[in-house]
Amino acid sequence: TQLLEQSPQFLSIQEGENLTVYCNSSSVFSSLQWYRQEPGEGPVLLVTVVTGGEVKKLKRLTFQFGDARKDSSLHITAAQPGDTGLYLCAGEREGSSNTGKLIFGQGTTLQVKP
Amino acid sequence: KAGVTQTPRYLIKTRGQQVTLSCSPISGHRSVSWYQQTPGQGLQFLFEYFSETQRNKGNFPGRFSGRQFSNSRSEMNVSTLELGDSALYLCASSLELRQGPSYEQYFGPGTRLTVT
Repeated sequence: TQLLEQSPQFLSIQEGENLTVYCNSSSVFSSLQWYRQEPGEGPVLLVTVVTGGEVKKLKRLTFQFGDARKDSSLHITAAQPGDTGLYLCAGEREGSSNTGKLIFGQGTTLQVKP
Repeated sequence: KAGVTQTPRYLIKTRGQQVTLSCSPISGHRSVSWYQQTPGQGLQFLFEYFSETQRNKGNFPGRFSGRQFSNSRSEMNVSTLELGDSALYLCASSLELRQGPSYEQYFGPGTRLTVT
């Protein structure tokens, strides 16, 4: 069982559409990060959220951390082909020691067609 | 500032062989973590090193090992390779174990290992 469940796993949309990716858990996280990974490359950090209810915006991307710090969402407005990639959520469980272990979701593969 | 570098980028080995992968963290970063990424299992934590000490280890067999040098560079070794070890191996570095309330890691491009 994945500690962080991402949905959907695959998403194929047309340029200009909006989309939301979800990252859910039954555990509380002290922080959650979102990464984007392109084929053949490592994940690139997009944002970190640490406070329950926090909302962060990065151009057309909006990230939200749930009030209870158990879930997060990523919303993309007017998607573009350049948004294509694998989106990963990752977090540090509350109460875990400072040992550099991030728990990752399975990822959402996004394809934006022109 | 240069990012995390990993060498080699691609590697082909046969079953039973061993392999060593290298990672150079961002300058000034002292924590290095290793992950295995496969289509079926996603990203799975292997181990983390800080100041040459292994601080945490994931659920991988003893064939997987690592070390960190005084300059923070890290290597991981896989002995007696199996077909299932084919994966993208990612290294990530962080300034310290914790940066304020959150923990952020910066990834290298990975080493694509194929075992035949």
